[in-house]
Amino acid sequence: RKEVEQDPGPFNVPEGATVAFNCTYSNSASQSFFWYRQDCRKEPKLLMSVYSSGNEDGRFTAQLNRASQYISLLIRDSKLSDSATYLCVVNRGNDYKLSFGAGTTVTVRA
Amino acid sequence: DADVTQTPRNRITKTGKRIMLECSQTKGHDRMYWYRQDPGLGLRLIYYSFDVKDINKGEISDGYSVSRQAQAKFSLSLESAIPNQTALYFCATSDSRTAPGQYFGPGTRLTVT
Repeated sequence: RKEVEQDPGPFNVPEGATVAFNCTYSNSASQSFFWYRQDCRKEPKLLMSVYSSGNEDGRFTAQLNRASQYISLLIRDSKLSDSATYLCVVNRGNDYKLSFGAGTTVTVRA
Repeated sequence: DADVTQTPRNRITKTGKRIMLECSQTKGHDRMYWYRQDPGLGLRLIYYSFDVKDINKGEISDGYSVSRQAQAKFSLSLESAIPNQTALYFCATSDSRTAPGQYFGPGTRLTVT
């Protein structure tokens, strides 16, 4: 079983729509959680950390469910520029090594 | 200027050749990492270094070696390249004093023929 699993998508949504997707992680000792954004053939960029109580950053909302071991990302009022692959990233424990999901592709159409 | 730079950005090489990928950072971070990315797979850790004298194997280190020449420089070598090492390679950095998020260089696209 992969340490981090994501629905690869693609999620095809119109501008202005809300899109949400999850990822699951297998290591219950995981302590830190992140969403990264990766544009085609570019480097991953940190989008936001995910905190236990859930957190928002503008149009982006991240949630963590430790009991069920999943993380979610919700994008409100989607923009064309939100088209990207979103990587779910989990810290494995105290050693600062990260496990990456294969990514969920989101395409926002005009 | 970019905080994390990688050279070369693209490279085509032949099976059996030795190749070195270089990474430099100006972020002042103590930790550096090398990953490879293949289509449909998540980034996989090749090697990581918590400081100049602390280098560790990641999950897929076979066929690779690294050198941490200075806090700001971390190079990855393929001693004898093989076609299944064709991939996108990323260097990343993090700061042990702050949050564990990592910051990535622009990547090196390596093709082994």
